[in-house]
Amino acid sequence: ETGVTQTPRHLVMGMTNKKSLKCEQHLGHNAMYWYKQSAKKPLELMFVYNFKEQTENNSVPSRFSPECPNSSHLFLHLHTLQPEDSALYLCASSQDYSGTQSSGNTIYFGEGSWLTVV
Amino acid sequence: LAKTTQPISMDSYEGQEVNITCSHNNIATNDYITWYQQFPSQGPRFIIQGYKTKVTNEVASLFIPADRKSSTLSLPRVSLSDTAVYYCLVGEGDKIIFGKGTRLHILP
Repeated sequence: ETGVTQTPRHLVMGMTNKKSLKCEQHLGHNAMYWYKQSAKKPLELMFVYNFKEQTENNSVPSRFSPECPNSSHLFLHLHTLQPEDSALYLCASSQDYSGTQSSGNTIYFGEGSWLTVV
Repeated sequence: LAKTTQPISMDSYEGQEVNITCSHNNIATNDYITWYQQFPSQGPRFIIQGYKTKVTNEVASLFIPADRKSSTLSLPRVSLSDTAVYYCLVGEGDKIIFGKGTRLHILP
């Protein structure tokens, strides 16, 4: 148990569907992240929120829409996805976002949400 | 692109000590070095972090030479359950970037 909870763990959706992934952290952190991990590829940073403000959008297509209503919750809204978007989507949090590993800013990951687009 | 270089894969046997070395020639003065472990179908898990010299916790040791251009993660007496991907991270400007990691396979 890392203190970062993601739901659902598994999601199958059609290309015309709209769904959302949810993440909640119980660590009192101020920064939250979405990462994407495709088969046999490195983790790709998608979005970063620091104190509820989006500080990073790593050239992610607009069919992925993040939402951070407060420092403890992060959503990833999905619409008109493509089969190549099928992947493991990981949420993470850290004390704050300095953009570096300075001062030991450790990232804590959730278990991930497996997304399959059919 | 990640600023770290690690072996793509390693094999070892149960009970052995495993050392995984990471090169980070362009590490910045303020950057810490952090290692994560990832099991299949799970998110990465923090293992250990250090700035210089040696750090040890209940899971692993981290050796960092004086020039900080490399680091070595040492796993004592590995078991089958240590089979995972191990990632070495340093700061990457405004982004925290994961490389491909080292796929460690422990054999019985």
